[in-house]
Amino acid sequence: QVQLVESGGGLVKPGRSLRLSCAASGFTFSDYYMGWIRQAPGTGLEWISYISNSGPINYNADSVKGRFTISRDNAKNSLYLQMNSLRAEDTAIYYCARGGPYYDLLTGVFDIWGQGTVVTVSS
Amino acid sequence: DVVLTQSPLSLPVTLGQPASISCRSSQTLVHSNGHTYLSWFQQRPGQSPRRLIYEVSNRDSGVPDRFSGSGSGADFTLKISSVQAEDVGVYYCMQATHWPPWTFGQGTKVEIK
Repeated sequence: QVQLVESGGGLVKPGRSLRLSCAASGFTFSDYYMGWIRQAPGTGLEWISYISNSGPINYNADSVKGRFTISRDNAKNSLYLQMNSLRAEDTAIYYCARGGPYYDLLTGVFDIWGQGTVVTVSS
Repeated sequence: DVVLTQSPLSLPVTLGQPASISCRSSQTLVHSNGHTYLSWFQQRPGQSPRRLIYEVSNRDSGVPDRFSGSGSGADFTLKISSVQAEDVGVYYCMQATHWPPWTFGQGTKVEIK
């Protein structure tokens, strides 16, 4: 079945780095744009990053621009989020979610979500 | 950026009774292609979000037909015709017409009275 499984979260000190991974299965990963969405404790959903199906195009929210980098390896069916210069306000559950397929970008946005990985930034 | 405003933010409902959540956008969500990319998501306690509705009124696979979406332009509604215990959670609207960024409403918490 279609599945996304995140990993790589943990406790990290402010200013340090962390790399999240998302393993995809059950669909043709290389056909789909992919995204990261986060949820700070007790709050709502915030989109943070999005990448095209083949990788060269990506978008980042202002809150993470210049610090976070999204990437993917289609041969490994994997999505990544490199997070640098982490701040306390980056503490959240990070979800990867499937975007639209390259042939119908707008309809399928965020139709499948992973279970999330927890990132805690604290000294 | 598009701002989505949901109301109410908290919705106590009696089992078996209907519920309605409003989502208002700061600008029209009609895309230049004529489609309207407004989705609804359900997040049950301790779970990740699940998409229920896309393009205003289309139910995702496996979503019970007691969930329905309606609206146009900048004004949208999610209705639950008869609330069940498993419907408890937070509901979010999201727009994918004007991106980036993709934006979500603040969420509406549905609970049983």
